[in-house]
Amino acid sequence: AQSVTQLDSQVPVFEEAPVELRCNYSSSVSVYLFWYVQYPNQGLQLLLKYLSGSTLVKGINGFEAEFNKSQTSFHLRKPSVHISDTAEYFCAVSDLQAGTALIFGKGTTLSVSS
Amino acid sequence: DAGVTQSPTHLIKTRGQQVTLRCSPKSGHDTVSWYQQALGQGPQFIFQYYEEEERQRGNFPDRFSGHQFPNYSSELNVNALLLGDSALYLCASSSGRGNQPQHFGDGTRLSIL
Repeated sequence: AQSVTQLDSQVPVFEEAPVELRCNYSSSVSVYLFWYVQYPNQGLQLLLKYLSGSTLVKGINGFEAEFNKSQTSFHLRKPSVHISDTAEYFCAVSDLQAGTALIFGKGTTLSVSS
Repeated sequence: DAGVTQSPTHLIKTRGQQVTLRCSPKSGHDTVSWYQQALGQGPQFIFQYYEEEERQRGNFPDRFSGHQFPNYSSELNVNALLLGDSALYLCASSSGRGNQPQHFGDGTRLSIL
């Protein structure tokens, strides 16, 4: 069965510093990959998605992610974070051989301080 | 353009009771998925409805059941509630085409006493 591992449960950074949130998934022939963000007491908002094509995907709010098939990774990056980026970030995979259900990691808490 | 709406926002029940949660999908979407998010965890897939039928199901007991109506809205029913059912229940909608991302509502917070 497909699984997703987010390697860091918490990532503290200072404002304007770069950040990388790491995500690995178990191997599969065909997958779609997603990053979602969740602010307190809210649902999930889609940051970006990889369906096919270019391995570098750009999303909203200055975030980007790179799909690496050989390492089964989909790490999220931002060159300069803001206080408002403080939130919970979830990596998710859809295994197309099993359907369109999303399998989520346990999440990474990004805390940005001044 | 309204997004995914869920009701109620909060609910308190006691063990053994039954609960029904409701979801209206984003305009133009025909597929509804339900997820359970326990505190401090990532969402877990419960099931997905398309064309009024359960298309895919996660690893949840039969106490969890659902329904989709002709207008694509959906209900999640949970019978014989357990303390462990306390969680945020998220509804997500998407187009039936497989490569369309899921859009989430703000969830229903269910607390079991």
